[in-house]
Amino acid sequence: EDKVVQSPLSLVVHEGDTVTLNCSYEVTNFRSLLWYKQEKKAPTFLFMLTSSGIEKKSGRLSSILDKKELFSILNITATQTGDSAVYLCAVLRVSGNTPLVFGKGTRLSVIA
Amino acid sequence: DAGVTQSPTHLIKTRGQQVTLRCSPKSGHDTVSWYQQALGQGPQFIFQYYEEEERQRGNFPDRFSGHQFPNYSSELNVNALLLGDSALYLCASSLLYDQETQYFGPGTRLLVL
Repeated sequence: EDKVVQSPLSLVVHEGDTVTLNCSYEVTNFRSLLWYKQEKKAPTFLFMLTSSGIEKKSGRLSSILDKKELFSILNITATQTGDSAVYLCAVLRVSGNTPLVFGKGTRLSVIA
Repeated sequence: DAGVTQSPTHLIKTRGQQVTLRCSPKSGHDTVSWYQQALGQGPQFIFQYYEEEERQRGNFPDRFSGHQFPNYSSELNVNALLLGDSALYLCASSLLYDQETQYFGPGTRLLVL
């Protein structure tokens, strides 16, 4: 059965800390891995990763994919209270009856 | 340019009732996917519509059905509601051949009592 596992499930840090969120997957017909940020309702897109070893960066956020070991990490440096959210990892499949398989998410709380 | 919109934002129903949720995709998008997100869980794929046809379906019972209209908007219908159907229902739109770029709506929060 296809699965995406995120860890930790929740995390509390202080402003300025650096955090690493983990995502491992066992999914057939892998096409790409996506990270989303969900603050209240609608998940918003952060990164799409297709190739191993190529880091994607956007400001204080960065992410990388390892297709051999089947995992990805999302790093957030110098965290701010506005980073508090649920971070979702999802795998897009080439084919199959479920195109996008999500993990349960990591709930990040950044306290001042 | 309006993004993905969903209605209603909140809904309370009782067991056994039926509900219809609505979604308007982002302008230019032709594909609509529906997801169920229970509390503390990630979104689970329900089904996807393209050209007014159900194209793919996840592991949801037949009580969950949908429709896509010629203007690409979509409805999700759930019959014989169960307590376990309480969740946030998300709609996402995309182009069929660019599903990496899915835009999510704000969701409809359904509570079944």
